[in-house]
Amino acid sequence: DSGVTQTPKHLITATGQRVTLRCSPRSGDLSVYWYQQSLDQGLQFLIQYYNGEERAKGNILERFSAQQFPDLHSELNLSSLELGDSALYFCASSTYTGELFFGEGSRLTVL
Amino acid sequence: SQQGEEDPQALSIQEGENATMNCSYKTSINNLQWYRQNSGRGLVHLILIRSNEREKHSGRLRVTLDTSKKSSSLLITASRAADTASYFCATDENDYKLSFGAGTTVTVRA
Repeated sequence: DSGVTQTPKHLITATGQRVTLRCSPRSGDLSVYWYQQSLDQGLQFLIQYYNGEERAKGNILERFSAQQFPDLHSELNLSSLELGDSALYFCASSTYTGELFFGEGSRLTVL
Repeated sequence: SQQGEEDPQALSIQEGENATMNCSYKTSINNLQWYRQNSGRGLVHLILIRSNEREKHSGRLRVTLDTSKKSSSLLITASRAADTASYFCATDENDYKLSFGAGTTVTVRA
């Protein structure tokens, strides 16, 4: 158990819909990262937050947005969903050492 | 885009044998990390090696880093069935963004 909690574990929705994925980092970790893993794209970095502030942005679509709240949990919002958005979405948190602790992921299926 | 690329893409070995996989990357790094992922699960951190280190050990794992060749290798000795997983290298393109390669899928046969 990494200490990082992600909900929901599985999500099935239709094209055009909007979903919110939630992540609670390990106790004491200030950084939260979001990654998307799909068969054709591999593990893609989306965005990172540190203590509530956006710190780095990767290949995140404009239809996607994220935030980190004062209690350090984070949410990833995916809107106008397309079939190609079906993937595993991982959240990870880290300390100053640089190693990431991953949650078990949220598997999104868009039909 | 992915910074690191693992080689081979897949590897099948007998229990007890050693498994070696390689990672090449493109830009300067501060550190390189290796992670393991069991099918459909979250990634688990294995080892971190800093750019000023050449070799590091952790249990049955040995990692080398050659910054002149921009490459790293992960050796798993005396493999077990439980080592069956995908292995990823990850590099920090800057202080905040950790980029992962496509991974090496290792199958350990009993």
